[in-house]
Amino acid sequence: KQEVTQIPAALSVPEGENLVLNCSFTDSAIYNLQWFRQDPGKGLTSLLLIQSSQREQTSGRLNASLDKSSGRSTLYIAASQPGDSATYLCAVRGRGGYQKVTFGIGTKLQVIP
Amino acid sequence: DGGITQSPKYLFRKEGQNVTLSCEQNLNHDAMYWYRQDPGQGLRLIYYSQIVNDFQKGDIAEGYSVSREKKESFPLTVTSAQKNPTAFYLCASSIGTGNEQYFGPGTRLTVT
Repeated sequence: KQEVTQIPAALSVPEGENLVLNCSFTDSAIYNLQWFRQDPGKGLTSLLLIQSSQREQTSGRLNASLDKSSGRSTLYIAASQPGDSATYLCAVRGRGGYQKVTFGIGTKLQVIP
Repeated sequence: DGGITQSPKYLFRKEGQNVTLSCEQNLNHDAMYWYRQDPGQGLRLIYYSQIVNDFQKGDIAEGYSVSREKKESFPLTVTSAQKNPTAFYLCASSIGTGNEQYFGPGTRLTVT
């Protein structure tokens, strides 16, 4: 059974700082990994999708990496802004059959002006 | 604008009543999903549908039912058999089941 862990559960940083959010998973036989952002009381917004054959994806100030062999992904946020404050979730899609998606609980990020 | 809509945003019901949550998408996606989100837990899959007129149970389907009569619509009924229905419900869709998922804004259901 796939398990997804995100550490830390919460993070507070000053504006302008570069930061890294971590996601680890127990089963390396994945199809892809997706990073989401969730604002309080809202739905999930897709940030980046990394296929299992890829090592990283970039979008603006965001860079996500994937190391399947070690069961890890990181989301790098450059030059953080107060508007980046949200909960960040990673979701791992398995292989075969339905290709079940397993979600982490998320890292709650606060960027202080 | 393409996207996923869920209604209502907030829903209040008395215990013992069935309630239906709406999910509509205009992205022309084949696959649709219902998740439940509770504090301190990851999203859990209730039901998913890969194509019209077909749906499968997820990890926590007991006490829920769905239908998929149209490609655009995937309503979820929370029945009185669901022991702990109070939660935040999220609908999602994707082109196929292996592709990037897009989420709606969610419905917060409170049952008293």
